[in-house]
Amino acid sequence: GDSVTQMEGPVTLSEEAFLTINCTYTATGYPSLFWYVQYPGEGLQLLLKATKADDKGSNKGFEATYRKETTSFHLEKGSVQVSDSAVYFCALSDPGGNQFYFGTGTSLTVIP
Amino acid sequence: EPEVTQTPSHQVTQMGQEVILRCVPISNHLYFYWYRQILGQKVEFLVSFYNNEISEKSEIFDDQFSVERPDGSNFTLKIRSTKLEDSAMYFCASSPLLTGGAGKLFFGSGTQLSVL
Repeated sequence: GDSVTQMEGPVTLSEEAFLTINCTYTATGYPSLFWYVQYPGEGLQLLLKATKADDKGSNKGFEATYRKETTSFHLEKGSVQVSDSAVYFCALSDPGGNQFYFGTGTSLTVIP
Repeated sequence: EPEVTQTPSHQVTQMGQEVILRCVPISNHLYFYWYRQILGQKVEFLVSFYNNEISEKSEIFDDQFSVERPDGSNFTLKIRSTKLEDSAMYFCASSPLLTGGAGKLFFGSGTQLSVL
């Protein structure tokens, strides 16, 4: 079945460091891919998405490119801030269904 | 910005007891969901609900679970006889459209259920 595997955490970075959180997926069809973020005490919020191969989703300085050949959707940011400290979830949505499949989440802590 | 509201934020119960987790989805949304995350594991789909009936459910959503939209605003998840392994963070979500493809889910902040 469909599934998502993402990089284990926790990840701790210094402010202005480069961030990569790896995500790979398994799907039978052509899924849409998402990154959700959960700030402390809040719900999951959509960060970015990509709906087809080679699409790049971007928001708040974060980017991820839908790579069908490597079945990946890695999250990147060139210079992280303390306010980026949160848990990041990779997810996919099967066009034929009505549910999301999430990864385990990767906790990011950015220190000044 | 409208948001999904979940209550309570924390719930502690004894094994075998019934619990009801409450959610108020965004008012003009049509599709409602429950997900859960056991500590250290993936966020797992439990059930989706549309037009006053369940549209999809996972293997996790057995006879011990039920959902209801008792009035025009609340969406509840009931666990009839809780087990230790039901301890998890439960997330409610809603969407104006079907999620298949590129739909967007709006999540609540979750209810942490602890079964002792």
